[in-house]
Amino acid sequence: DAGVIQSPRHEVTEMGQEVTLRCKPISGHNSLFWYRQTMMRGLELLIYFNNNVPIDDSGMPEDRFSAKMPNASFSTLKIQPSEPRDSAVYFCASSLSRGQGNEKLFFGSGTQLSVL
Amino acid sequence: DAKTTQPTSMDCAEGRAANLPCNHSTISGNEYVYWYRQIHSQGPQYIIHGLKNNETNEMASLIITEDRKSSTLILPHATLRDTAVYYCIVRALTQGGSEKLVFGKGTKLTVNP
Repeated sequence: DAGVIQSPRHEVTEMGQEVTLRCKPISGHNSLFWYRQTMMRGLELLIYFNNNVPIDDSGMPEDRFSAKMPNASFSTLKIQPSEPRDSAVYFCASSLSRGQGNEKLFFGSGTQLSVL
Repeated sequence: DAKTTQPTSMDCAEGRAANLPCNHSTISGNEYVYWYRQIHSQGPQYIIHGLKNNETNEMASLIITEDRKSSTLILPHATLRDTAVYYCIVRALTQGGSEKLVFGKGTKLTVNP
């Protein structure tokens, strides 16, 4: 298995531009998570999906952020418009949730976003 | 979720055992203890988890005290590649049956040659 695949690996954009981050979870996994990591705030959970349905988006910082999961093999995190404070590493993770509370998360390599 | 407390940093000599402590005094009966680590610039990596009993796998051992209020992650023979931030997380099942891990600051482990 190729693991969780994220693209792009690096993204540099200007303030005000739209940014779309992509994630392909591990085949067969039914839960998907978006995290953001900065030096100041550490790893923050933004949103997670179960069976393609958003379960908890309380970590999404503001309306400029949106996430979708149109099918079991693809998810996007969009920032529109982007701001310099959005600069961070964005991680996607997936897991196979059997409702037992002991699932393991598998993380992608992350997208390093720089907003100038 | 129960809160965890970990030392900010630790050092270990290469080839020696690394023992990373974690306090979770407010843990409840249905909460698992998880350990993940993050090597610089990579995504977090699952290490091990447990509920009550001690656990061992190819990466590490997890020792959970009888009252479950603390645990220790043991890397039996630390190598330079084990230098990373180690996160101890306590989590129970969420609504919808999905895992929701919230990461704290973790312990920065430095393995020295």
